[in-house]
Amino acid sequence: GESVGLHLPTLSVQEGDNSIINCAYSNSASDYFIWYKQESGKGPQFIIDIRSNMDKRQGQRVTVLLNKTVKHLSLQIAATQPGDSAVYFCAENIGGGSQGNLIFGKGTKLSVKP
Amino acid sequence: DGGITQSPKYLFRKEGQNVTLSCEQNLNHDAMYWYRQDPGQGLRLIYYSQIVNDFQKGDIAEGYSVSREKKESFPLTVTSAQKNPTAFYLCASSEQGLDIQYFGAGTRLSVL
Repeated sequence: GESVGLHLPTLSVQEGDNSIINCAYSNSASDYFIWYKQESGKGPQFIIDIRSNMDKRQGQRVTVLLNKTVKHLSLQIAATQPGDSAVYFCAENIGGGSQGNLIFGKGTKLSVKP
Repeated sequence: DGGITQSPKYLFRKEGQNVTLSCEQNLNHDAMYWYRQDPGQGLRLIYYSQIVNDFQKGDIAEGYSVSREKKESFPLTVTSAQKNPTAFYLCASSEQGLDIQYFGAGTRLSVL
């Protein structure tokens, strides 16, 4: 099948362990961030988002941490499962609103070993 | 795929040929987008439209064209001027004023 994971950073974890995927963003004016999951041959799926007035947000098995001082974003996945294997992208919005201002990172490929 | 349908899933283009990729959404979203994805790279914006009958160029619009005659449809034409069209093309939509973009399943375009 198609691969969008060629030449990407790869994180390999054991099933049941926690995963931490990191993202450095470039623009200090960015005020909104999104994490997407993309399985091979499919479109990206929304996972979780966070605004710049927060430093942590939790979802189901996922937590996003935002460190504006060092312009760093991380996605933590608890009790990683084989179904979590995918490429994970962060995206930043430098202007807010639907104005085509989402900037996407290159992604990290998560591989879960059973 | 959240109510966004892209077709076809696979498409082949002959040299000098224009091809059109379809994107339809039933989410009643005002804004729609086209991205290109190459291996090892992030998504790059080709065109976007915030409202019917209006659209704007993204970062890599050369060799592409779009139309937005209906709210639910945003077709992308890859013209013969696009010399390196082989890629995975993704369509997305969002509610006006909100940032989350929802994606279709993509179309993989290859050159014969």
